[in-house]
Parts: sequence; C-alpha cells; structure tokens
Amino acid sequence: GQQLNQSPQSMFIQEGEDVSMNCTSSSIFNTWLWYKQDPGEGPVLLIALYKAGELTSNGRLTAQFGITRKDSFLNISASIPSDVGIYFCAGSELGGTASKLTFGTGTRLQVTL
Amino acid sequence: EAQVTQNPRYLITVTGKKLTVTCSQNMNHEYMSWYRQDPGLGLRQIYYSMNVEVTDKGDVPEGYKVSRKEKRNFPLILESPSPNQTSLYFCASSLSVTVPGTQYFGPGTRLLVL
Repeated sequence: GQQLNQSPQSMFIQEGEDVSMNCTSSSIFNTWLWYKQDPGEGPVLLIALYKAGELTSNGRLTAQFGITRKDSFLNISASIPSDVGIYFCAGSELGGTASKLTFGTGTRLQVTL
Repeated sequence: EAQVTQNPRYLITVTGKKLTVTCSQNMNHEYMSWYRQDPGLGLRQIYYSMNVEVTDKGDVPEGYKVSRKEKRNFPLILESPSPNQTSLYFCASSLSVTVPGTQYFGPGTRLLVL
C-alpha cells in the first residue's frame, strides 16, 4: 500500500517556538487528516481538511490542504510542553472512503522548557 | 463515555500459539478497522469492516483474521503468531463509511511474539 512522506521525522524545539511539518503524496487526495498520538495512547484527530486550499484552525494548530491536492501542512504556534507527542498525517485518495486511509510515518515532537 | 476498548493492553506469547485481541465500541459505528504500528512505518491497515458480516483486507492482512458478528465487536485473530507480528495494534471505529473523517482509536495492544 501507499505511504505518505512526512517530514521532519523528529523535532526538538523550545517552549514558545512555532512548529511546521508537512506531508506529501504521489497521488491526489480528497481528504487530509492530522492526528496526534500521546505516549501509550491511540491517535486522536486534530484537524480534518476536505477541500483543496482549505485552511483550518483548532486553537494553536493550523492545517492546510495543498492546492495540488498532493500535500498538507500542520503548524503549531507558541508550543507548550503538552504538545509533545507524535503527529501523523493521513489521507484518503480521490474516490476513496473512510475504509482506505493512508497514514504518514509520523513526526515526533519534543518540547524543552 | 464514547470509547473504543481493546483487550488485552499487553500480551507476550510464543510462536504458533493462537491468540485473539478483542475490540469493542459503544458508539454504534458502522465502520471498524485494525491497524498495526511499527517504528518508522506509521500505521498500516490490516483489515476493516463496513458493517456486520462485511470485512475486507487492508494493506497488510497476511497472518491475521477478523470477524464482525455484532456491530460493536471486531476481534483480531492471529491463528499462528510469528515474531514479525510483534507490534503495537490499534482498533478504530468511525460513524461514517463514505466520508473519511473522525476515526476513534482504541488505546492500543502491545504484542510481543517470542
């Protein structure tokens, strides 16, 4: 199955800094999702994007659905210690359904005080 | 409380000894799915189910079986586990089948096959 290219693989930042991560695909996607996984827990949905060009915020998090439909970006502003975790992008290809989500390999975020 | 539960949370077993990981959701969701998570590979789908008695293979189904006899339950069966099935397993459910969106994930089952 296809996998998404997610970068960076890991980030070490200081509290208060902004964070950016992205995902790219070789296929056109009609949905992009961003999840966060805390240690010892399952992933939790942060933001869902359904239209090319869409920009959606959830508190300090902002995600964008790329115009080409082949990429998506997640930004976290003014990071805090509880932002620590693994962030996954996921997408559904054009014509796909909830049954066929493809996940990225994850970005591990560490926040230092 | 709306949730997806998995049991057991941790399991150590030996090669060839059949095991079942249970998954249950209390949200009346149509869609359920199993994933495995391995370092550097993210989440990969094993099997999914669109409704009772309807199951289909995901990207990595080899060595696994599932069943969906009731809407709320979707057990994952390893008939003859092997060490390469050592992994972290997640069950997920979703209300909508046609619109990709919120999948609620269980807490995970960490499996070690010796």
